Amino acid sequence: DTAVSQTPKYLVTQMGNDKSIKCEQNLGHDTMYWYKQDSKKFLKIMFSYNNKELIINETVPNRFSPKSPDKAHLNLHINSLELGDSAVYFCASSQSGIRTDTQYFGPGTRLTVL
Amino acid sequence: AQSVSQHNHHVILSEAASLELGCNYSYGGTVNLFWYVQYPGQHLQLLLKYFSGDPLVKGIKGFEAEFIKSKFSFNLRKPSVQWSDTAEYFCAVNANTGRRALTFGSGTRLQVQP
Repeated sequence: DTAVSQTPKYLVTQMGNDKSIKCEQNLGHDTMYWYKQDSKKFLKIMFSYNNKELIINETVPNRFSPKSPDKAHLNLHINSLELGDSAVYFCASSQSGIRTDTQYFGPGTRLTVL
Repeated sequence: AQSVSQHNHHVILSEAASLELGCNYSYGGTVNLFWYVQYPGQHLQLLLKYFSGDPLVKGIKGFEAEFIKSKFSFNLRKPSVQWSDTAEYFCAVNANTGRRALTFGSGTRLQVQP
């Protein structure tokens, strides 16, 4: 009964490949996020969806394309992978509203591009 | 835009020592404040949060934090650390309205020696 789950946990691939990471939350939240944690542990927002609509799109290369088929899922597809894409990608979810806006994180997907 | 500074990058303490990790933020409006912990190889877990009210908030595992508005600070404290507190600690903020994505500090690596 994991609240926010991600698959796969580890992903090792070659440069130039296309890969996807999936995220699912069973908390009934209406907002989902993708964060990237680099090798120095710095976390930065990439995307945010609210009720399946894209509301935040940071300066991320357009090789990264999020897709939200429904409120409980937010997938991340990455085209033409580059060495610099190696990182840990965290999915998170929250319920919008001033007092309840706590984000819950998934276990992360460690992406290694060779 | 928001920004978060964590001045202690790496802290080494002996068990039973007291802990204080600094966090300062920059933002012109009202913010929500969070401390997350990341144990080795694990995902981010919420330690505590501040939305409004009593500026001294208590979290899990004996942690507490004090919001000092005049200093734009939200320092994390624990009176007596344990070896199991060894982890990376992240301070984060988001705006009280509108954009919900978290802005994280660079993290503080805490190493507790037995």
